[in-house]
Amino acid sequence: DTAVSQTPKYLVTQMGNDKSIKCEQNLGHDTMYWYKQDSKKFLKIMFSYNNKELIINETVPNRFSPKSPDKAHLNLHINSLELGDSAVYFCASSQAAGLNTEAFFGQGTRLTVV
Amino acid sequence: GNSVTQMEGPVTLSEEAFLTINCTYTATGYPSLFWYVQYPGEGLQLLLKATKADDKGSNKGFEATYRKETTSFHLEKGSVQVSDSAVYFCALSLLGGGFKTIFGAGTRLFVKA
Repeated sequence: DTAVSQTPKYLVTQMGNDKSIKCEQNLGHDTMYWYKQDSKKFLKIMFSYNNKELIINETVPNRFSPKSPDKAHLNLHINSLELGDSAVYFCASSQAAGLNTEAFFGQGTRLTVV
Repeated sequence: GNSVTQMEGPVTLSEEAFLTINCTYTATGYPSLFWYVQYPGEGLQLLLKATKADDKGSNKGFEATYRKETTSFHLEKGSVQVSDSAVYFCALSLLGGGFKTIFGAGTRLFVKA
């Protein structure tokens, strides 16, 4: 049973296209995140949702729009894709009741924009 | 602001060598500290954590102690194995405009047989 699953695992698309990445967690957590990992492995938070509400929105182009239909899902939609969007995107979840809670990560989606 | 700084890699060691990966942090308030590991082609997974000063987290032979006086959380292992080759991330979590985890830049470890 995969705790945090995201699809697709690989995504190759042309500049200007619109694409979505889906994420689901079966851990019963109330907080979900999207992180972007660049080619140097640097991991940067993009968004955080708590009980379907956006609580963190870091400096991210508004071409990126997260959607949380329920607290087990957090999808990422990207409009007008650019070459610089190429990266690995990780979904994660945690139970944010306390500071000592860990984040559980999905396997990542490798997005390549050509 | 809140941030995590860890030593740049890559770190290359021979099997059974001693490992230290340095990590220091700046934070407002009292964060929890974590080490995550990312094996090739996989997502991050928690390696160990410490929630208050002087706590020691340990797992799979790895250890790190939460040092408030030096704002550090260095990762150590007495004898590394080839299977420890991965990218290691130091991280902190805190409340501030919403609960979030902030990661260091990651340190890649290569262990040679």
